[in-house]
Amino acid sequence: AQTVTQSQPEMSVQEAETVTLSCTYDTSESDYYLFWYKQPPSRQMILVIRQEAYKQQNATENRFSVNFQKAAKSFSLKISDSQLGDAAMYFCAYRRVNADGLTFGKGTHLIIQP
Amino acid sequence: GAGVSQTPSNKVTEKGKYVELRCDPISGHTALYWYRQSLGQGPEFLIYFQGTGAADDSGLPNDRFFAVRPEGSVSTLKIQRTERGDSAVYLCASSLREGGEAFFGQGTRLTVV
Repeated sequence: AQTVTQSQPEMSVQEAETVTLSCTYDTSESDYYLFWYKQPPSRQMILVIRQEAYKQQNATENRFSVNFQKAAKSFSLKISDSQLGDAAMYFCAYRRVNADGLTFGKGTHLIIQP
Repeated sequence: GAGVSQTPSNKVTEKGKYVELRCDPISGHTALYWYRQSLGQGPEFLIYFQGTGAADDSGLPNDRFFAVRPEGSVSTLKIQRTERGDSAVYLCASSLREGGEAFFGQGTRLTVV
């Protein structure tokens, strides 16, 4: 079974600074998808960024980028120029290519200090 | 609708009662997912529908849990003989096709007292 581990229950960063959230996963598959989701207090999960395992190039979306290390099974999220609106729970998630549901980590609570 | 809609937003029920949670996916989305998120945890997969059929129900914890999607649109998650351990946020998501980006609703917070 696949597992996703987020070892940082909480992270704090000053506004405008950069923060990196860690995620490791375990799988025997060679092709899969990885995701970072943001969950604000409204509870709605919002997709931040997605990475296909067969792509070597790290995904980027504006201030959000990932460091995907396939051999190490590591998938960290970097948030640059942190903004107050970035404060939320962040979940790392995995999905096999021909599967259905997502497997989530336990989440990291990101606090932005003004 | 514009997004995935879940009703009710909050539900309090007594132990042993039956509850139904409703999910209205984005119009035209054929894939629909249910997840359960316990306090302090990430969401856990429960069941996946492709159209009207449950393509994968391997995440349902026991036979007290059942879900339907009779017309391939709205889905209802049904929980019989609720237990205090069923208290959680139940999230629904839909995607245009299998494997496509999943859009989540705001969930139903179920509290069993």
